[in-house]
Amino acid sequence: GDSVTQMEGPVTLSEEAFLTINCTYTATGYPSLFWYVQYPGEGLQLLLKATKADDKGSNKGFEATYRKETTSFHLEKGSVQVSDSAVYFCALSDLNSNQFYFGTGTSLTVIP
Amino acid sequence: KAGVTQTPRYLIKTRGQQVTLSCSPISGHRSVSWYQQTPGQGLQFLFEYFSETQRNKGNFPGRFSGRQFSNSRSEMNVSTLELGDSALYLCASSPRERTEAFFGQGTRLTVV
Repeated sequence: GDSVTQMEGPVTLSEEAFLTINCTYTATGYPSLFWYVQYPGEGLQLLLKATKADDKGSNKGFEATYRKETTSFHLEKGSVQVSDSAVYFCALSDLNSNQFYFGTGTSLTVIP
Repeated sequence: KAGVTQTPRYLIKTRGQQVTLSCSPISGHRSVSWYQQTPGQGLQFLFEYFSETQRNKGNFPGRFSGRQFSNSRSEMNVSTLELGDSALYLCASSPRERTEAFFGQGTRLTVV
C-alpha cells in the first residue's frame, strides 16, 4: 500500500542554517505530494505541494522537488528562522480519493 | 473565505461515554476527511465523505463512525470511549481529488 517515510527528528538548527528534511514515498502510480507544517496546539497548514514528476513546490523560502526516479520529495530551506520552529509532515494523496498518507513528522527547533 | 471549523476545541469525557465532534468545511468543498493524531501512532486516517457518502474508511473499530450532511458539514461519533481514544481529531476538506486538504485546528479529546 501507499506510505511515506520521513526523516526522524528532532532537528535543532541555528538561525540562518540550511535545512533539509528527507522524505521518500511508496505508491502505485504518481500521487500528489505535499508538505504540511504544524505549530503547537494547531492543525496542519499546507506548506507546499507538487502534483507531477519534476514539479517544484515552493512557499515562504521552502522548496521541494518531486523526484520520480528516487521516489523522493525532500524539503529544503536555505536560511531558517526561529519562527520556522514547528513539526513538518510529508504526505501523499491517494490517486482516487482524498485519503492522505502522512510521514511521522519531523520536529524542527531553530535557536537564535 | 472562512477556513475549516471544528467544534468543540477541547473535550473531556469519561470512559464508556460517547462523543460527537463537528466539522464545517470550506464553502464549496464537498469532501471531508477525518484523522486521528496521537504521539505514538502519528496521523491516522479515519474516513472520508464526499457528497454525503462514505468513500473510504481507515482501520478503526466500528465504535468510530461519521456522517456528512447535505450542506457538507460532517460529524464523527465515538461510542464507548476508551482511554486510548484520547487524541487530537483533525478534520480536513478538499474541493476535489488529488489536491490539497485544508485542515481545521482540531478537537482535543481527553478520555479519563
